[in-house]
Amino acid sequence: EAQVTQNPRYLITVTGKKLTVTCSQNMNHEYMSWYRQDPGLGLRQIYYSMNVEVTDKGDVPEGYKVSRKEKRNFPLILESPSPNQTSLYFCASSLYGTLTGELFFGEGSRLTVL
Amino acid sequence: AQSVAQPEDQVNVAEGNPLTVKCTYSVSGNPYLFWYVQYPNRGLQFLLKYITGDNLVKGSYGFEAEFNKSQTSFHLKKPSALVSDSALYFCAVRDKSGNTPLVFGKGTRLSVIA
Repeated sequence: EAQVTQNPRYLITVTGKKLTVTCSQNMNHEYMSWYRQDPGLGLRQIYYSMNVEVTDKGDVPEGYKVSRKEKRNFPLILESPSPNQTSLYFCASSLYGTLTGELFFGEGSRLTVL
Repeated sequence: AQSVAQPEDQVNVAEGNPLTVKCTYSVSGNPYLFWYVQYPNRGLQFLLKYITGDNLVKGSYGFEAEFNKSQTSFHLKKPSALVSDSALYFCAVRDKSGNTPLVFGKGTRLSVIA
């Protein structure tokens, strides 16, 4: 089954404790992206990657890191999480970037930073 | 810079009645326009898109959307609402120049009442 898999789905952590949210897709997609969803703000893009070893900042990259060492994986790293990073995070992928706009989304990862 | 506005946070409609979820956009040049739906505790799912051609676009689950260039709108419609249509709906836009990121609206919550 074609899918985008995120882990963990739920996480409660404390300020400053490094964490990684993994994202993996099995569709051989070139494009992958991370979004955060906050009430009243919709989806905002954090980082995206057009292909292996190519990453770019989105609208809200501060406090996040990403890497794209393999085509299928695009982990989101929070080196020193803060409470304002409490949010619902989505990973998405697409075969040809945003040219067709048909992004495939993961189920989401709900992060709480205390 | 491109932007999307969804003027209604919430839309309530009775089952069997037609529904409309509004979206207006701003881009430099011609737009690519999209609708996504998010069911509770799930990731976003692609519904439909307008790239070029016929202004009335048909998508999944009986939804359709009408592109209106003069009003810069792309409203989502369905002739007869179902309770199962209750969800959060997002409009998104990108311009046609290159592989630019999608910009999402803040979302509109649709409640269909039996």
